[in-house]
Amino acid sequence: GEDVEQSLFLSVREGDSSVINCTYTDSSSTYLYWYKQEPGAGLQLLTYIFSNMDMKQDQRLTVLLNKKDKHLSLRIADTQTGDSAIYFCAETKSGGYQKVTFGIGTKLQVIP
Amino acid sequence: SQTIHQWPATLVQPVGSPLSLECTVEGTSNPNLYWYRQAAGRGLQLLFYSVGIGQISSEVPQNLSASRPQDRQFILSSKKLLLSDSGFYLCAYKVTTNEKLFFGSGTQLSVL
Repeated sequence: GEDVEQSLFLSVREGDSSVINCTYTDSSSTYLYWYKQEPGAGLQLLTYIFSNMDMKQDQRLTVLLNKKDKHLSLRIADTQTGDSAIYFCAETKSGGYQKVTFGIGTKLQVIP
Repeated sequence: SQTIHQWPATLVQPVGSPLSLECTVEGTSNPNLYWYRQAAGRGLQLLFYSVGIGQISSEVPQNLSASRPQDRQFILSSKKLLLSDSGFYLCAYKVTTNEKLFFGSGTQLSVL
């Protein structure tokens, strides 16, 4: 079955890099996503990567995909206090209706 | 541009009372629509999804139901709320041409 796993908590100092990790079990996953959720708000799509890519960079965000190990990571460079939030990893397959499966979310705490 | 509206933002209801949460999408046609629930400190649980008007699929048997009376309207309902229905409810839509899932701002439901 499909499963997405993440660690629950990460604490970093302001200005350092944050790396949030995720593993998934479905080898046929086509799209992998990172979402950010601030307190009391909905989920904001940060970035996504296709399974035929190894890396995607978008300003301070770098997504790395190791398809062989089914491991996805999100690196946030120069982490700011405004990056404090819960980060969700998610995956889906392409074509027709496909369920999007989410991890439990990693709470990132940025220490000033 | 596409937008998603969800209301109300917060709701406090007594046990046994009915529920109706509404979600509408603008700027796109025939989206896939979703209702998720997020319990405190937990990940996202998919409750219902819809690929078209009147087409509803349930992921988890429970006290809730969903309806899609119009192409861009998705309603989550209950005839009698339970304490366990408390949580943060999120509506989402996906445009099948790009596989991205976008969320509304959520409804915090407290059943007392």
